Amino acid sequence: GAVVSQHPSRVICKSGTSVKIECRSLDFQATTMFWYRQFPKQSLMLMATSNEGSKATYEQGVEKDKFLINHASLTLSTLTVTSAHPEDSSFYICSATRQGLLNTEAFFGQGTRLTVV
Amino acid sequence: DAKTTQPNSMESNEEEPVHLPCNHSTISGTDYIHWYRQLPSQGPEYVIHGLTSNVNNRMASLAIAEDRKSSTLILHRATLRDAAVYYCILRDVWGSGNTGKLIFGQGTTLQVKP
Repeated sequence: GAVVSQHPSRVICKSGTSVKIECRSLDFQATTMFWYRQFPKQSLMLMATSNEGSKATYEQGVEKDKFLINHASLTLSTLTVTSAHPEDSSFYICSATRQGLLNTEAFFGQGTRLTVV
Repeated sequence: DAKTTQPNSMESNEEEPVHLPCNHSTISGTDYIHWYRQLPSQGPEYVIHGLTSNVNNRMASLAIAEDRKSSTLILHRATLRDAAVYYCILRDVWGSGNTGKLIFGQGTTLQVKP
């Protein structure tokens, strides 16, 4: 079946540094990908919609200058957490659906556990 | 975004059927009903989805009420590996500019007892 891969699966960084997370659709193209954040014992919260070749659309309350999203190709979206702080520690998950087939299932990456120390 | 309501938690015995309910009284005609599940420290996994008719796949069955205001995910024989958080989500895929984004609720935590 279709696969969405995230890298890295786990990262620890120092406060004030930036971290980039990659999300790849391995065997299909996706003009749209989604980024979620999940805190312990909570549900997934949609952060932004990543659009290939154009600016991302951020959900209310999500700082676009802090969470930079780049969707440079039909198979790759990246999320960069800039000037990370301990409160940014969370589980980040991306999702994608086959291009032009929104009435089918969505595929999710395995998630990236970010710890800011 | 249309909302869904699910019980916070449910318990099941291993090898018995499980019926996970979901209410979506404000569903629109173009909303698909999607189910995903999430194991600890993993990304969500697709389970099943449907529009109007009941659906079956290798993982589960989806029973959709005639008025579409509720649905039930059926696991025919629960195993310990089915213990997870199950999310019922409405996905609108029609309309200009619609991205089909999935908005997650709190889901139902399913415990399976041996």
